[in-house]
Amino acid sequence: DAKTTQPPSMDCAEGRAANLPCNHSTISGNEYVYWYRQIHSQGPQYIIHGLKNNETNEMASLIITEDRKSSTLILPHATLRDTAVYYCIVRGNSGNTPLVFGKGTRLSVIA
Amino acid sequence: GAVVSQHPSRVICKSGTSVKIECRSLDFQATTMFWYRQFPKKSLMLMATSNEGSKATYEQGVEKDKFLINHASLTLSTLTVTSAHPEDSSFYICSARPGGGDTEAFFGQGTRLTVV
Repeated sequence: DAKTTQPPSMDCAEGRAANLPCNHSTISGNEYVYWYRQIHSQGPQYIIHGLKNNETNEMASLIITEDRKSSTLILPHATLRDTAVYYCIVRGNSGNTPLVFGKGTRLSVIA
Repeated sequence: GAVVSQHPSRVICKSGTSVKIECRSLDFQATTMFWYRQFPKKSLMLMATSNEGSKATYEQGVEKDKFLINHASLTLSTLTVTSAHPEDSSFYICSARPGGGDTEAFFGQGTRLTVV
């Protein structure tokens, strides 16, 4: 699976949009981009995933560049409860390939 | 979304004893489950892939005789830390995916193991 690069930390004011970038320049054609987050001392929580089209759900939006070499997770109105480590993971869709976690971005939402 | 449950959420054990951690998929069947370990301020590290009815596949550097994995049914995988030592103290997390393809994976709430 392709590797991802994320900034180690970001701050965001409460109520503002949080834009978390991810670079995955070696992504291959059948690999999806997944985003998970982990709040302290809990298991990771699924947020969203996509292949090449932009995606939106009740939690977030995922914007994938046309060349698919990078993506941005957008939390439209960040709250204090969104403070967590956010992981961008690239994974193929064949069989039962595990998710391999990088270091992620520690997002701090500030009141 | 689908639910994956781990038990216990916290356990303290003495050095030299063994500890079993259970991972259950509550509303779906999982032929494959994954076990991760996480040390403080570090990312999740994949330990092994648990396969129903067959042997687990361990990642490089993970001792299969120390971390025994049993996946006896389509809804239950267990991880047993044998002869635990203080350096085995960690946060253990399991994961399972309801289907194949690009279906998202779901994670248990994790088990905090402290070996004293």
